[in-house]
Amino acid sequence: QVTLKESGPVLVKPTETLTLTCTVSGFSLSNARMGVSWIRQPPGKALEWLAHIFSNDEKSYSTSLKSRLTISKDTSKSQVVLTMTNMDPVDTATYYCARIYGDQVVGAFDIWGQGTMVTVSS
Amino acid sequence: SYVLTQPPSVSVAPGKTARITCGGNNIGSKSVHWYQQKPGQAPVLVIYYDSDRPSGIPERFSGSNSGNTATLTISRVEAGDEADYYCQVWDSSSDWVFGGGTKLTVL
Repeated sequence: QVTLKESGPVLVKPTETLTLTCTVSGFSLSNARMGVSWIRQPPGKALEWLAHIFSNDEKSYSTSLKSRLTISKDTSKSQVVLTMTNMDPVDTATYYCARIYGDQVVGAFDIWGQGTMVTVSS
Repeated sequence: SYVLTQPPSVSVAPGKTARITCGGNNIGSKSVHWYQQKPGQAPVLVIYYDSDRPSGIPERFSGSNSGNTATLTISRVEAGDEADYYCQVWDSSSDWVFGGGTKLTVL
């Protein structure tokens, strides 16, 4: 069974750095047909793509947030990590990790994690 | 940047057909995916590559894509179909893009 599960802090203070971990099971992050993205959703708002890591370790970032984001993976631990610096209350959202299987560019996000809610507040 | 435009809401009576549109410049040349999101839950893929259905998704869900509009069609709508629906594409200038979402209300 393929699953993804996000973990990280529930509450962060403004200006702090957020670190989120996506632990996957049922597939390998080294599989050439697999990639993982981070996607967020502020309360009551739409989905917003943040970052993607390909099987060959190539990375892609949202243009608007590129300066604040870093995505990485540890294949041996089956984990994908996202860091976001200089957190602000507008970054309050549910953060999801999701898998693309097959064509890692035009393919669909076929499996999603349950999401983790992050609140930014002092 | 590439923009996907969806109507904020669509209402339909049970048993009828709901059509949710997703507009984008020459979207017909791209692969469109659709997700269903119920309150408090993660999105679920319901249509991929314009018109393919993942296993477990009812045949009532179908998709099309041409010109500047992609459409998700839900036939014989049921109360359980009430949810937010998002379209998504990949674009070379914007990477992965989601539409603003459409709230489907079953009357």
